[in-house]
Amino acid sequence: GNSVTQMEGPVTLSEEAFLTINCTYTATGYPSLFWYVQYPGEGLQLLLKATKADDKGSNKGFEATYRKETTSFHLEKGSVQVSDSAVYFCALSDMDGNKLVFGAGTILRVKS
Amino acid sequence: SQTIHQWPATLVQPVGSPLSLECTVEGTSNPNLYWYRQAAGRGLQLLFYSVGIGQISSEVPQNLSASRPQDRQFILSSKKLLLSDSGFYLCAWSTPDRELYGYGYTFGSGTRLTVV
Repeated sequence: GNSVTQMEGPVTLSEEAFLTINCTYTATGYPSLFWYVQYPGEGLQLLLKATKADDKGSNKGFEATYRKETTSFHLEKGSVQVSDSAVYFCALSDMDGNKLVFGAGTILRVKS
Repeated sequence: SQTIHQWPATLVQPVGSPLSLECTVEGTSNPNLYWYRQAAGRGLQLLFYSVGIGQISSEVPQNLSASRPQDRQFILSSKKLLLSDSGFYLCAWSTPDRELYGYGYTFGSGTRLTVV
């Protein structure tokens, strides 16, 4: 079945450091890929998405490129801020349009 | 515009007590509705989803049940809570068109349930 694997956290960075959170997936066909963010005590918010190979999703300085050849969708940001501290979830939607499948989530902690 | 509401935001319940969490969506018709659970330190687990009134699919056998009595209302219930039911419960909605075009789901703000 479909699955998403994220790098384990927590990831701890200093402010203005470069961020990469790895995400790889297993799926049949051509799923859509997503990054969601969960700030402390809140629900999930869609951060960015990509619907086909080589698409780059971007939002709030974050970006991720849909790489079909490596089945990856790594999240990057050039300069993180303390306010980026949150849990980040990679997800994919399967081809029948139901059931978003999530990775386990990666905790990001940014220190000032 | 579409909105999704979940309540209560936090809940502390004793073991063996019943549970009812409610989720409602406004501004759309015939949404697909989802209940997810996030246990402490763990990822998101899909519990139930519904593509229409009275239609419930269960992803994981458990102590919980779901119902959809109205088009935009999704209820998560339990007759007798267990300690292991503690977690953060999230409701989400989408539509077939939004899913087809890769818009993902929109989540509510969640209910933090602590069973004591």
